[in-house]
Parts: sequence; C-alpha cells; structure tokens
Amino acid sequence: GQNIDQPTEMTATEGAIVQINCTYQTSGFNGLFWYQQHAGEAPTFLSYNVLDGLEEKGRFSSFLSRSKGYSYLLLKELQMKDSASYLCAVRDSNYQLIWGAGTKLIIKP
Amino acid sequence: IAGITQAPTSQILAAGRRMTLRCTQDMRHNAMYWYRQDLGLGLRLIHYSNTAGTTGKGEVPDGYSVSRANTDDFPLTLASAVPSQTSVYFCASSDSGASGANVLTFGAGSRLTVL
Repeated sequence: GQNIDQPTEMTATEGAIVQINCTYQTSGFNGLFWYQQHAGEAPTFLSYNVLDGLEEKGRFSSFLSRSKGYSYLLLKELQMKDSASYLCAVRDSNYQLIWGAGTKLIIKP
Repeated sequence: IAGITQAPTSQILAAGRRMTLRCTQDMRHNAMYWYRQDLGLGLRLIHYSNTAGTTGKGEVPDGYSVSRANTDDFPLTLASAVPSQTSVYFCASSDSGASGANVLTFGAGSRLTVL
C-alpha cells in the first residue's frame, strides 16, 4: 500500500529552527508537496520538490531524497504565526496525491 | 478576490437526509476535487473532475456523488447521510496537465455533522 509518515506533533521555541520529516512509500513518484494548515482553515501551498536537493523560499526550505523516500521541511526564525499543521503529500505514478496525516507544530514563546 | 467559495460553512444534518455541498471557483481551473479531512488521517479524495463534463472516483467515493456541468461549479451530494460522513469537506482546484506542480487551491471548508 501507499504510505506517508510524518510526526504527529512537534514543539519548538520562537526564533529557533525546526525540521519536520516526511517519509513515503508510494507507487511511483511525480513530486512532493508541503502545505500549511492553520487550525480551522484551508491548507495553503508551501513548496514543491520533484528533483533531489534543497529548495529555499524565505524562512522555509524543503529537501527531497528520492532514493531514500524522504523529505523534510525546515522552518527558520520561528514566529508564533508558524503554529499550524504541516501536510506532506506525494503525487504517485497515476498523478494522484497521497497525503500524510500532518504534523502539528506548536511554537512556544 | 479570485479563489474557491464553499457553502455552507457548517451544517448539522439528520441521518438519512440528502445534502449538497456547493463549490464554485473563479480561477478557470480545469481540475476540481473534493476531499474529506478527519482527525488523525490525511486528506482523502472523494471525487475529482479533470475537466467540465467528466468526473472520477477517488479513494472514498461511496455515499457521495458529484457533477461538473461547467468549469466553475463542482457540487458534492450526500444522497442519504450517515454519521460516518461527519467530517470537514474541502473543495480544491488546480490547472490540469501532467507536468508541473499543479498546485491545489483549497476552499475554506464545510464542516458537516450527521446525527
């Protein structure tokens, strides 16, 4: 079966750095996505990786290793507004998105 | 403001009743999707439409139906609601095509409680 694994919850301190990991086992691979979802709101797009390596976008970076079935989202200079759930999703060989359950990130002052 | 509008925002429904969740987008996206989100689970695809006039079944289609009469609208109907359909429902859209990111844009969600 297809599976996306990410930690259920993480806690970090304002101003610090946090890394959220995602491992996947899917039927084929056509890209990996990270979305942010604040409580009670819709998911919003953060990043897309299709080739190995690091994609940087401001305070957020996303890394992909296709051979290891692994990605991480790196958040720097954490702000209270970064408290949210972070969803990892992989597009499989049929171009269908497989979603992880999300990682709830709690930022403490 | 361009985006996706869902209605209703929230609804409590008696089991056995029929319910239609509405979804309208103004971005001229070809593809549209309906997901449900339940605590502890990833988003699960119910139905999708790659273009107006076509629909397809997702991971959890039983008990739901959709139609796509035009590009903008993609309603989701529960013919006879059951308590297991209590969930938050998200409509989403994207540009179609096999290449590129095809990022999903989500609506604000519809919270449905079936008693």
